[in-house]
Amino acid sequence: AQSVAQPEDQVNVAEGNPLTVKCTYSVSGNPYLFWYVQYPNRGLQFLLKYITGDNLVKGSYGFEAEFNKSQTSFHLKKPSALVSDSALYFCAVRDNNAGNMLTFGGGTRLMVKP
Amino acid sequence: NAGVTQTPKFRILKIGQSMTLQCAQDMNHNYMYWYRQDPGMGLKLIYYSVGAGITDKGEVPNGYNVSRSTTEDFPLRLELAAPSQTSVYFCASGGGGNYGYTFGSGTRLTVV
Repeated sequence: AQSVAQPEDQVNVAEGNPLTVKCTYSVSGNPYLFWYVQYPNRGLQFLLKYITGDNLVKGSYGFEAEFNKSQTSFHLKKPSALVSDSALYFCAVRDNNAGNMLTFGGGTRLMVKP
Repeated sequence: NAGVTQTPKFRILKIGQSMTLQCAQDMNHNYMYWYRQDPGMGLKLIYYSVGAGITDKGEVPNGYNVSRSTTEDFPLRLELAAPSQTSVYFCASGGGGNYGYTFGSGTRLTVV
């Protein structure tokens, strides 16, 4: 069975500093990986995905993620954090053999302080 | 562009009551999903559907039922509400291929 781990419950970063939110995965076959963001009392919003191709994927709001097959990781990054980036971030992997269902990690709360 | 619409947004149920959470999408997506999100936790898949007339269980299906009579609608039914079903419920749809999901804004359900 596929799985996703987000080892940090919370990440704190100062505004203007680079941020990294970690994600590792376990899947048989080629991974389809996603990052979503959730703002308070809202649904999840798609940020970016890795299907194939370049290991560095660029997404919405200046976020990017680096796919590392040997380390089975898909860390989310941003060069310069904004206070408005504060939210809950979810990494997910898709099972292409079972209705394209997504398996989510437990989420990481990002707190960006002014 | 409505996307995925969930109703109601909030609901309080008494133990043993039943209700249906509605979900509709206007993107002609074949795939639809129901997740629940408990406080401080990730999302758990309850049921999913790969097309009209086809549904299947996810990770936590007990206490729930679904139907998919049309491409657009994917209602989730709670027959005998229990306090353990207090959660935020999210519906999502996907077009398959290389795409992710579009999520609804959620239904916050409290069972007392």
